[in-house]
Amino acid sequence: SYVLTQPPSVSVAPGKTARITCGGNNIGSKSVHWYQQKPGQAPVLVIYYDSDRPSGIPERFSGSNSGNTATLTISRVEAGDEADYYCQVWDSSSDPSYVFGTGTKVTVL
Amino acid sequence: EVQLVESGGGLVQPGGSLRLSCAASGFTFSSYWMSWVRQAPGKGLEWVANIKQDGSEKYYVDSVKGRFTISRDNAKNSLYLQMNSLRAEDTAVYYCARASYGDYGFGWFDPWGQGTLVTVSS
Repeated sequence: SYVLTQPPSVSVAPGKTARITCGGNNIGSKSVHWYQQKPGQAPVLVIYYDSDRPSGIPERFSGSNSGNTATLTISRVEAGDEADYYCQVWDSSSDPSYVFGTGTKVTVL
Repeated sequence: EVQLVESGGGLVQPGGSLRLSCAASGFTFSSYWMSWVRQAPGKGLEWVANIKQDGSEKYYVDSVKGRFTISRDNAKNSLYLQMNSLRAEDTAVYYCARASYGDYGFGWFDPWGQGTLVTVSS
């Protein structure tokens, strides 16, 4: 089955840039989506189709995808960005399924 | 406002059954694929099942095949998950989510409900 690997944690100072990676075999050939989940809340879509932002999501959130790594970038980080972030793809291999990454805890210092 | 509200969670003994419901509003429910996604305590997200607009296609994660059944009632704007033969490892918050589907195939989940907790324990 397809595996998506994320770093367990990323720490960043306010106003700086956070980059969260999502590694997978030839992930650049798939569409990657990203979710933000704050404690006790449901996940919220922040990036879809590699780099598109849903309405209401700040421009500070951006995404890219190439080769074996997809990246979620949060610019000018704010305290309110502290959350868990998950990447996700649809794997259309022999046993089709949605696959989520392992999740990354972003801590704002 | 697009909204999904789950209900039906609770404490159940191993081997027992539970039926989750999800009430949808603010969008044309019958036009979308719908999904269930779960999250064990302190763990990551795991897709469970999804269902086509008319209920004619259903897909499940391997770990629930033969035990869980996803269904929908478009007249009632409702999604369901019948869970049988429950195990301790099924303990999780279960989220209802609208699933995107297009020329690219299956895509993302948006929005999500607030979730309902299922605890399987004796």
